[in-house]
Amino acid sequence: LAKTTQPISMDSYEGQEVNITCSHNNIATNDYITWYQQFPSQGPRFIIQGYKTKVTNEVASLFIPADRKSSTLSLPRVSLSDTAVYYCLVGPSTSNTGKLIFGQGTTLQVKP
Amino acid sequence: SAVISQKPSRDICQRGTSLTIQCQVDSQVTMMFWYRQQPGQSLTLIATANQGSEATYESGFVIDKFPISRPNLTFSTLTVSNMSPEDSSIYLCSVLITTGANEKLFFGSGTQLSVL
Repeated sequence: LAKTTQPISMDSYEGQEVNITCSHNNIATNDYITWYQQFPSQGPRFIIQGYKTKVTNEVASLFIPADRKSSTLSLPRVSLSDTAVYYCLVGPSTSNTGKLIFGQGTTLQVKP
Repeated sequence: SAVISQKPSRDICQRGTSLTIQCQVDSQVTMMFWYRQQPGQSLTLIATANQGSEATYESGFVIDKFPISRPNLTFSTLTVSNMSPEDSSIYLCSVLITTGANEKLFFGSGTQLSVL
């Protein structure tokens, strides 16, 4: 399973764009990149998933370069409620065991 | 998507006792997982709960300490046996939902366990 490396923490201010980068140098051909968000006292929540290039949904964008050895989660115009821990996961396709391993995550603190 | 109900949401237990955590899913799922999250830490996978067979445990976790049941495709239990204060953690149930080529994990809200 591919290991991921993220910054341990980041600070931002309301209204700013936040970019969190994740390194996954040994990503496999069939692996997808998925980001989860976790608030205190809650289980992680799916944010976005991608395989290559760019993916955008109503919450975030995910940028994946051609070599797929890293990815960047982009949160536009963050608010205080975006303060959370963000996890980058690199996981196998449905042909594999399905289990996903969490790295240390990035604690994002949004300040007023 | 999937809605996961996990209970109890929290408990305070005495050392040496056991606690069984229940996880109920609103749809049939093949893959269910149990994670542990110690205070201030990331999630650690305990085991994969397989319906109709024994659970598959990760390194550092054993069946005697964390017995798991998976009687059907919507339900699982995790027991934390012979508890010690080191077992104080949040225990999370999750399921893997596959839609085409996309896979997503959905989590319960967790069980916060404190062992005295």
